[in-house]
Amino acid sequence: NAGVTQTPKFQVLKTGQSMTLQCAQDMNHNSMYWYRQDPGMGLRLIYYSASEGTTDKGEVPNGYNVSRLNKREFSLRLESAAPSQTSVYFCASSDSRTGRNSPLHFGNGTRLTVT
Amino acid sequence: AQSVTQLDSQVPVFEEAPVELRCNYSSSVSVYLFWYVQYPNQGLQLLLKYLSGSTLVKGINGFEAEFNKSQTSFHLRKPSVHISDTAEYFCAVSLPAFSGGSNYKLTFGKGTLLTVNP
Repeated sequence: NAGVTQTPKFQVLKTGQSMTLQCAQDMNHNSMYWYRQDPGMGLRLIYYSASEGTTDKGEVPNGYNVSRLNKREFSLRLESAAPSQTSVYFCASSDSRTGRNSPLHFGNGTRLTVT
Repeated sequence: AQSVTQLDSQVPVFEEAPVELRCNYSSSVSVYLFWYVQYPNQGLQLLLKYLSGSTLVKGINGFEAEFNKSQTSFHLRKPSVHISDTAEYFCAVSLPAFSGGSNYKLTFGKGTLLTVNP
């Protein structure tokens, strides 16, 4: 029972490098999300995908792109990493068919450091 | 604008003491409210949720929360905490993802770090 799986767990990048954070869920959920967590800031939504084939910006989308590859997978890409993107990134999914009472299921996070 | 405010960033308590973690929200529409818990180096897990009906909601690990519409609050309580309750707790409100749409997204508060000391 894997739930939401994120890779990698840790990553160090130099300023200007690019990378893709991977996320996959095995719960047949329609909706998937990317959040970043910073000390004292809580979780802030970067992008979300209400269903396969759709993506929308959240609160802090600048510097990121996403791809909803299929129903299971939702990747987050940093094209040119900046120190301000040092954070812990969480992927989550929910069953949107149950409406707004559907809880989020989170992965264990990717800790990214940009030097 | 809709928002969630957690009034305390840190709450230290001794083991077996009661605890209350405070959460206030503002919204122009009816809300669904949630509390999530994050243990060290893990993702968030759902603790409990309020959708409608009884204003007192019971969750996992002995936690409960009370929805108070007049005070726009959803405070989390536990009568006797354990060392293992040490974690960060997030209040969240479910809001429409975009105007007129049927998709929703969670907006989180900034979190309260509960530290239970022996």
